[in-house]
Amino acid sequence: RKEVEQDPGPFNVPEGATVAFNCTYSNSASQSFFWYRQDCRKEPKLLMSVYSSGNEDGRFTAQLNRASQYISLLIRDSKLSDSATYLCVVNRVDSSYKLIFGSGTRLLVRP
Amino acid sequence: NAGVTQTPKFQVLKTGQSMTLQCAQDMNHEYMSWYRQDPGMGLRLIHYSVGAGITDQGEVPNGYNVSRSTTEDFPLRLLSAAPSQTSVYFCASSGDRGLGIQYFGAGTRLSVL
Repeated sequence: RKEVEQDPGPFNVPEGATVAFNCTYSNSASQSFFWYRQDCRKEPKLLMSVYSSGNEDGRFTAQLNRASQYISLLIRDSKLSDSATYLCVVNRVDSSYKLIFGSGTRLLVRP
Repeated sequence: NAGVTQTPKFQVLKTGQSMTLQCAQDMNHEYMSWYRQDPGMGLRLIHYSVGAGITDQGEVPNGYNVSRSTTEDFPLRLLSAAPSQTSVYFCASSGDRGLGIQYFGAGTRLSVL
């Protein structure tokens, strides 16, 4: 079993739709959680950190469920420019410097 | 505003050749790392460094060497290239100890024939 698992998608949605991605992690001792965005053939970039209380940044909302060991990302009012791969990232328990990246969920937003 | 700079962007090697992937950052970050990204597998950590003179192995270190003589530079050396090392390589740096906020270079696409 992978330490961080994501549905690879693709999620194909129309502009304006709301879409949600989930990610599960296997180590209950993980402490830090993030969503990164990666455009095709580009480098990953931090989208947002995920806090225990949940957090929102504009159209993006991230939630953490420690009991079930998953994090989620909700995108409201999807834009064409949201088309990308979204990477779920969790810290390694043995070192806060080591991150575990999920293989990503691909989102396609169509006109 | 350079951030993290990787060179070269593309490289083709023959099996057995050696080469060095360059990575430099101008943000005075202590932490730097090298990842490889293969289809369907996510980024995997090769080596990392928490400061000049200090390096350590990640998940997939075999076949790679690193050094960190300065804060700015963190080169990755392929000792004897193999087709299994065909991948996209990303260098990243972070100034946020433990927070996972990493800045990535644009990547090096390597093909080993």
